[in-house]
Amino acid sequence: QVHLVQSGAEVQKPGASVKVSCKASGYTFNTYGITWVRQAPGQGLEWMGWINTDSGKTYYEQKFQGRVTMTRDTSTTTAYMELRSLTSDDAAVYYCARKGCTGDCYILDYWGQGTLVTVSS
Amino acid sequence: EIVMTQSPATLSVSPGERATLSCRASQSVSSNLAWYQQRPGQAPRLLIYGASTRATGIPARFSGSGSGTEFTLTISSLQSEDFVIYSCQQYSNWPPTFGQGTKVEIK
Repeated sequence: QVHLVQSGAEVQKPGASVKVSCKASGYTFNTYGITWVRQAPGQGLEWMGWINTDSGKTYYEQKFQGRVTMTRDTSTTTAYMELRSLTSDDAAVYYCARKGCTGDCYILDYWGQGTLVTVSS
Repeated sequence: EIVMTQSPATLSVSPGERATLSCRASQSVSSNLAWYQQRPGQAPRLLIYGASTRATGIPARFSGSGSGTEFTLTISSLQSEDFVIYSCQQYSNWPPTFGQGTKVEIK
């Protein structure tokens, strides 16, 4: 059974960085990509990007280019998302989700439980 | 980027009745459209992909239709657990984009 388990809530100061982890189990990790999506309070879902867990190649939404880094550790089947230079606009729940199809296809079939990131001085 | 617009923002329906939710894309996405259900405080759950294919384990009361720019999610007979938020997502063009969601509430 597929599970994605994320790290716990974070409180960070403006200008700091946050790194969220996503531990995958129940399937062959490097067969499916991992995506990152965030949701600000009362808002819709926002795509951030994804990592090919086999090659390690990353694809970031332009809005986050230069500020986000997605990595993975195949030995521990864990994906990571680091976001730098945080502002109050980055306060959100951050989700990892499995990209449940190959190629240029972005169906998210399994999700982590979410990680709340609070940005406060 | 493609803008996804969902309507209505809130839909009031009685238990056992049918709910029809709409999603419109700012340009054609063919059938590259997914629907997600989100309960309060929980992660989204995939309901429908390819505009009309139910995901694994999704009850038959959920159905999707449409192509191009106009899509519909229909819940044939609302159960108590269905009164939550539904979001559509296009995955035709980069970046994938989501609608703002429709909240289905008890009438």
